[in-house]
This record gives sequence, structure tokens and C-alpha cells, in this order.
Amino acid sequence: DGGITQSPKYLFRKEGQNVTLSCEQNLNHDAMYWYRQDPGQGLRLIYYSQIVNDFQKGDIAEGYSVSREKKESFPLTVTSAQKNPTAFYLCASSIVQGASNEQFFGPGTRLTVL
Amino acid sequence: EDQVTQSPEALRLQEGESSSLNCSYTVSGLRGLFWYRQDPGKGPEFLFTLYSAGEEKEKERLKATLTKKESFLHITAPKPEDSATYLCAVQAVRRANNLFFGTGTRLTVIP
Repeated sequence: DGGITQSPKYLFRKEGQNVTLSCEQNLNHDAMYWYRQDPGQGLRLIYYSQIVNDFQKGDIAEGYSVSREKKESFPLTVTSAQKNPTAFYLCASSIVQGASNEQFFGPGTRLTVL
Repeated sequence: EDQVTQSPEALRLQEGESSSLNCSYTVSGLRGLFWYRQDPGKGPEFLFTLYSAGEEKEKERLKATLTKKESFLHITAPKPEDSATYLCAVQAVRRANNLFFGTGTRLTVIP
């Protein structure tokens, strides 16, 4: 089955730690995205990538880093510089060309700072 | 500045009681408007894309419509399994492939 997988489902971080969230897709999509979801707020874009070895900052990139070494993978690192990292993190992917650009989402990773 | 406002924040319906969810938007050049369904603790599930005013799309008990300023998600004779948060997002021409999301409407259908 084609889809997007995220791991782990739950992640706990201590103060000062960097943690990496995994996102893998087998939809053959060129574009991948990371969003953050907080209660009472809409999804906010952290980073996106439209092609391997290239990525752009979204609206709230501070304290986060990404890499795109393979088309299928787009890991997100939450660094110790992110002051309020507790949130639900969602990865998505989409095609780049064509009329339909709907994004398909993974199941999410819930990150909690201890 | 792109803006998406969804109303109401929460809606409780009796099973079979039809209603509509609203998504008002302000965007400089609309490329597309998207509806998603999100169950608690899960990722959003894609429902519809609308591209131009007057367009309508249907899926089972759901029907989405679009005007130049807003979109409606009509739910006909809802069932308890329709309970979820419904998210609206817009894609602007100048931010190709990036979606701007509203805060959602939390729908509860009571048996």
C-alpha cells in the first residue's frame, strides 16, 4: 500500500536535547512538508522540499532543521533552540506539477518535552 | 496576508440532522481550496479540492461548495462516524504547493 509513515508515534525529549522525527513516503511524490499542530491553532508550515537536496523554510522554521537526501525521506530535527517544542508534528507529501496539489498526510508524531 | 476562518469552532448534531460548516478565506490569488477530515490523534485525511467559484464536489454524505469568499461543507443526514474535526486550507498562487490552514470545526454527531 502506498502512503506516508512517521516514526515514532510518541517521543519524549529532555531539555537541551536534539531529537529527530522520521518521515518516509512511497507515493513517488516530489514534494514533502513538515507541519506543527497546536491546540486551537491551524497547522503551521515548518519546512518544505520540492526536490532532493533542496528545501525551504516555512513560517516557523526557527529551532528546526531538515535534510532531503532521498526522494522518499524527509527527517525533521527539533533542536534545543526550539523553545516550545511540545506539539503534534505532521509530515505530508504531494506532486509538484499538475492541477491537483493536494497534500497527503502521515499519522503524526506527538513530541513532549519533559 | 492569507487568512482562513472556520466557523463554528464546534458543532453538535443529532444523527440525521443536516448542517453546514463554513470556511471564509482571504488570499491573493486562489489556486485551490482543500477540505480535510482529522480524527483525534491522527493525520488529516484528504476530502476535496475546489478550484473556482461555483464548483461543487460530493462524497457520500459530504458536499463542498466554493464562492469567491467562502466555502461550505454540507453534511446531509450525518452519522456518528462523521464525528471529526474538519479542516479547510487554501493554496495561494504566490505560495505554490504551500497550504494555509484554518483552525477547524469539531463536529460531534450524537446517536
